[in-house]
Amino acid sequence: AQSVAQPEDQVNVAEGNPLTVKCTYSVSGNPYLFWYVQYPNRGLQFLLKYITGDNLVKGSYGFEAEFNKSQTSFHLKKPSALVSDSALYFCAVRASGGSYIPTFGRGTSLIVHP
Amino acid sequence: SAVISQKPSRDICQRGTSLTIQCQVDSQVTMMFWYRQQPGQSLTLIATANQGSEATYESGFVIDKFPISRPNLTFSTLTVSNMSPEDSSIYLCSAPGGPSTDTQYFGPGTRLTVL
Repeated sequence: AQSVAQPEDQVNVAEGNPLTVKCTYSVSGNPYLFWYVQYPNRGLQFLLKYITGDNLVKGSYGFEAEFNKSQTSFHLKKPSALVSDSALYFCAVRASGGSYIPTFGRGTSLIVHP
Repeated sequence: SAVISQKPSRDICQRGTSLTIQCQVDSQVTMMFWYRQQPGQSLTLIATANQGSEATYESGFVIDKFPISRPNLTFSTLTVSNMSPEDSSIYLCSAPGGPSTDTQYFGPGTRLTVL
């Protein structure tokens, strides 16, 4: 079985400060890890993924995420937050050799204050 | 990546009626997926729509309630039948993007309110 934990329902950060949205996972075998963002009244937009290779993955809108195998984590980061980054963020995982269908976390609401 | 469109974007329906949601992908894909996102919740997979065969439903979802069509490799429909207020959700269609199927892309969603 595969699972994702996003321990924070909400993250608050001031504009210009660095942000981190946490994600830990459990999967049998090697993980494929994903981050998606959902703006109000919109569908999910793909941000970035880790499949293999460098542990630091760069994605859209200046976001990056670091894969840490020993801690089974894939935290989403951005050096300087923007008010427009305020949205709902979902982490997802699936096993590299298993079902194609990913398991999603419950989501973390990011609020960036001006 | 894949560009996915859905219609309608939102609807308000009366209890006991049915609504059909359409999903169009800009490329041919073997599998398409339908998800439900209830208010404040994560995504729950309803079913996988396979072209040329019946959809595969997840536990808790049945064909009579959520019939799915998949007439070709770029299109699918999901019908929400005999609706009740508990069906009020966002319904999302997704599909893999490009020849590498490791990433799913999502449509903009259909926001359904049942009165």
